Amino acid sequence: DAMVIQNPRYQVTQFGKPVTLSCSQTLNHNVMYWYQQKSSQAPKLLFHYYDKDFNNEADTPDNFQSRRPNTSFCFLDIRSPGLGDAAMYLCATSREVAISTDTQYFGPGTRLTVL
Amino acid sequence: DQQVKQNSPSLSVQEGRISILNCDYTNSMFDYFLWYKKYPAEGPTFLISISSIKDKNEDGRFTVFLNKSAKHLSLHIVPSQPGDSAVYFCAVTGGGNKLTFGTGTQLKVEL
Repeated sequence: DAMVIQNPRYQVTQFGKPVTLSCSQTLNHNVMYWYQQKSSQAPKLLFHYYDKDFNNEADTPDNFQSRRPNTSFCFLDIRSPGLGDAAMYLCATSREVAISTDTQYFGPGTRLTVL
Repeated sequence: DQQVKQNSPSLSVQEGRISILNCDYTNSMFDYFLWYKKYPAEGPTFLISISSIKDKNEDGRFTVFLNKSAKHLSLHIVPSQPGDSAVYFCAVTGGGNKLTFGTGTQLKVEL
């Protein structure tokens, strides 16, 4: 029944050790988004894919990369995690990206801890 | 520089009473406004929205009001129920579907 699935739900990594977060969807939506939410802050859009087209937000650090090998899966790669990258990472999907009224569906998030 | 502000981190309301959650935004170019609700250990889920051409949208117990001149958005829940206890995020878009969120308000509905 789950529509947007994120694995793992909790991830612990070491400072500087690459880490990959996973998102999958059963909605067959064109668009997949990654948001970062730090403690007591608003979720912040990092980037999104429209189909295979990658769109980076201007202020997303280079340390963050993403891959979308097919419609269902999208990965967030953090090349060298710093202590400041500890956050909840939310994946979302929608049919379209150009239509404001198109609802975004969120996964439960992955909480990343950096030691 | 926050473009969307929810100045009340938390709100406590008695069951059956009205809950009013507020949101302020800075950019008059925003044209679509949404509220998302988040329970612990779950992702945000869409609740209700309003276009900039309207000033009110109602869906059952939930009503969203938009005051464009004040750049202010509010969500009214009446009557409030214990199951409404959650974090409520205000979000806006300025053309397209890229959401800018507020920091959220934790609503607690007490028996």
